Amino acid sequence: GQQVMQIPQYQHVQEGEDFTTYCNSSTTLSNIQWYKQRPGGHPVFLIQLVKSGEVKKQKRLTFQFGEAKKNSSLHITATQTTDVGTYFCAGRSYGQNFVFGPGTRLSVLP
Amino acid sequence: DGGITQSPKYLFRKEGQNVTLSCEQNLNHDAMYWYRQDPGQGLRLIYYSQIVNDFQKGDIAEGYSVSREKKESFPLTVTSAQKNPTAFYLCASSPGLAGAGGTQYFGPGTRLLVL
Repeated sequence: GQQVMQIPQYQHVQEGEDFTTYCNSSTTLSNIQWYKQRPGGHPVFLIQLVKSGEVKKQKRLTFQFGEAKKNSSLHITATQTTDVGTYFCAGRSYGQNFVFGPGTRLSVLP
Repeated sequence: DGGITQSPKYLFRKEGQNVTLSCEQNLNHDAMYWYRQDPGQGLRLIYYSQIVNDFQKGDIAEGYSVSREKKESFPLTVTSAQKNPTAFYLCASSPGLAGAGGTQYFGPGTRLLVL
């Protein structure tokens, strides 16, 4: 079945440093979504990518969808303490449900 | 104020008892979902529903049951057949069909602890 992996599992950065998490699927995806879950909270939708090679930006966050539509990345520039949380990707193969990756837990040291 | 509500926030039950988790949405969304999250792990799909009176099994449906008698409600029953029920349960809804890639809006979750 479809598998979605994320690396790294954990990332500790100093405030102001950049952060990147990578999402890889075992199958070609029709689209991919990214969610953020704060400690003790619930996942909140960040963005959806649909097109091969698509790049979207939200302020300090940059999202990319690979050319082969099997991988994606989230890059945060100049992290802040408000960026703390777990970032999940959720990939959907054609005709299938979304499968969530295990997440990357980001800690930001002030 | 639109959104998804789940109750209760924390739930304690004795082993062998069935327990029902509530999920209500007033977003007029067609699709609703139940996920299970274990510590340090991602979300796993239990059940989903695209329309009233219809629902489909997800990846880990064994030991769970659902109903969708009303568009706004999608309760989940954790039965005694579920071997490891202690977890964080998240309900979500989306405006589009379950497989169409619609944005999922999550409720605050219910933490179930089985003693």
